[in-house]
Amino acid sequence: AQSVTQLGSHVSVSEGALVLLRCNYSSSVPPYLFWYVQYPNQGLQLLLKYTTGATLVKGINGFEAEFKKSETSFHLTKPSAHMSDAAEYFCAVSGVYKYIFGTGTRLKVLA
Amino acid sequence: ETGVTQTPRHLVMGMTNKKSLKCEQHLGHNAMYWYKQSAKKPLELMFVYNFKEQTENNSVPSRFSPECPNSSHLFLHLHTLQPEDSALYLCASSQESRQGGVEAFFGQGTRLTVV
Repeated sequence: AQSVTQLGSHVSVSEGALVLLRCNYSSSVPPYLFWYVQYPNQGLQLLLKYTTGATLVKGINGFEAEFKKSETSFHLTKPSAHMSDAAEYFCAVSGVYKYIFGTGTRLKVLA
Repeated sequence: ETGVTQTPRHLVMGMTNKKSLKCEQHLGHNAMYWYKQSAKKPLELMFVYNFKEQTENNSVPSRFSPECPNSSHLFLHLHTLQPEDSALYLCASSQESRQGGVEAFFGQGTRLTVV
C-alpha cells in the first residue's frame, strides 16, 4: 500500500525566509511523487513531480523538491518566501488510476 | 475553455433535495475522478472512471451516484444527503498509461452545503 505523511499541518515563515514543507512516503514500488498547491476555494494545481531520473526536481513559482530514497522523503523547498505563496500544499504519491494525498500543510507568510 | 471545468461552483441543498454536480475536461484524458475534501481531513478518493468504466468506488454511500456518459464528462448525482456531506467536491482527470506517473488535473471544485 502507498501512503504519504506530511509533517506539520501549519507552517509560518517570514517573507524572504526559506520555505521547507516536509513529506515522507511509503511505497512498495518505486514511487511517483507530486506536490500540489491549493489556494482558497480553488482546485489543486501541480507544482512539481518526480517520476524517474534526476532526484532534484524544479517546479513552478521557484519551488523545488528532492527525492531521497534512503530517507523516503520528498520535501518541498523555496529559498525565499513571497506573500503570494500563502496557500495549502499537498504531497501525493500515485500508481495507475490512483493518487494518495497527504493531509496538507497550510503555509502562512508573515510580512 | 481549457482544463477541467466544474459546475456549479457553489451549491446549497436541503437533505431531501436531488441535485447533480457536473465536470467536463477538455484535455483528451482517459481517466476522471471525484474527490471529497472536508475540513481537517485528507482528500478522499470517491470514484474513478477509466474510459467511461468505473474502476474504483471507495465505499461511498449510495446517496452519491456517479455517471460518466463519455470520457469528457463526469457527473455526481446527489440525493438525501446529510449535513456531514458538506464539503468541497473536486473533479480531476489524467491521461493514464501502464507505467503511471502522470499528474492529475483538477477543477476548481464545487462547494456543497447541506442544510
